[in-house]
Formats: sequence, C-alpha cells, structure tokens
Amino acid sequence: DAGVIQSPRHEVTEMGQEVTLRCKPISGHDYLFWYRQTMMRGLELLIYFNNNVPIDDSGMPEDRFSAKMPNASFSTLKIQPSEPRDSAVYFCASSGDYSSGNTIYFGEGSWLTVV
Amino acid sequence: SQKIEQNSEALNIQEGKTATLTCNYTNYSPAYLQWYRQDPGRGPVFLLLIRENEKEKRKERLKVTFDTTLKQSLFHITASQPADSATYLCALGAYNFNKFYFGSGTKLNVKP
Repeated sequence: DAGVIQSPRHEVTEMGQEVTLRCKPISGHDYLFWYRQTMMRGLELLIYFNNNVPIDDSGMPEDRFSAKMPNASFSTLKIQPSEPRDSAVYFCASSGDYSSGNTIYFGEGSWLTVV
Repeated sequence: SQKIEQNSEALNIQEGKTATLTCNYTNYSPAYLQWYRQDPGRGPVFLLLIRENEKEKRKERLKVTFDTTLKQSLFHITASQPADSATYLCALGAYNFNKFYFGSGTKLNVKP
C-alpha cells in the first residue's frame, strides 16, 4: 500500500485566499483524521471521520475551517479565508478499527504558510 | 479535562546507553497507550501499542511499560544509536477514537 497520500506537500498563499488540502487514506481504513501541528501547540486533532461521516469536529478552530469526505478514498480540508495564524503542518491520517490496534498511519503532511 | 505530560526538554544521551522517556496522564483511564516516532519534516510513525491489562511490551530494542495505578508509561530504547534521534510522542485512547489524545512529545538526541 502507498500509505496516506496528501497534497500539496507545500503551499504558500496570501492572507484571505482559500486553501484546499487533499488526502487519500489507506484503502480499507474506516477512520480518517485531520491534525494540525505547530511548535507552540503540538499535534492537535481538528476533525475525524468514521465511514465517511464526521464524528468529532470540536477541534476545528473556527468557521473558516471545513472538512469533507465524499467517499472512502478522498477527503479535503478547506480554509477560507486563510490567515497567517493558520500557518502550520496539516497531517491527514487513517486507521482501521480496534482489532487492528487503532494504529494511526500519518501522511507526510501539507506545510502551509500564509503570508 | 484530560492531560498528557511528556518532558518538553530534550533528552541527551550517549550512544550505547538506554534512553528512557516518560508519559504521564491525568483525569483519564485509557484502554491503551501508543508510542510514535516523528522525524523532522515527517509524519509520526507508529512504534508500539500496550493495552491497559498489559504491564510491559517489547519490540527489538524497544520496551514500553504501562502502570495504570501511577498513570504512567515508560518508553525505553536500549543500546541507543544516533539514528534513534527523533521526537517521541505518546498517545492514549479508548476502545474507539472517541477519546484519543497525543502528548506533545520529547526530543531524543543520541550522541556518538
């Protein structure tokens, strides 16, 4: 398996622009997660899906952030409008169920810089 | 609310020694605990899982202990190597992902 695939790997955008991050989870995984990592706040869970349904979005910082999972093999995280404080690494991750140990497999991340 | 504590200061050790990292938690009774490794510019990579009814788990040079009374896990790397230098994160979870949390990680530096 190719692992969790994220795009773009790096993005530099101007404040106010829309940013869309994309993710392809590992085939067969029921759970998909979006995390954000910064030096100050560490790894923060933004939202997670189970079988394409959003389960917990309490970590989404504000209405500017939205996430969708239209099918089992694709998810997007959108920021509109973007702000400099959104600059971070955004990780998508996926996992099977508890019988597989709830191991989370991370993508390589999307490095976002908002100027 | 739950709190997970990992030493924020980097751990510096000499090659060949045993590295011991600590993960403490409060206000939570996890069903399992995991350890991940993260290299600069990369996503975290799963290393080991230990369940609440297990005291110790080993994998090659890695050993994890889980003390639910002390609410603490220790992560050991024996015969450490410079290639072990990375940030190590612990994560706690319930039987589903309804309550799953990462610690902030501890950076390990192994000097040759």
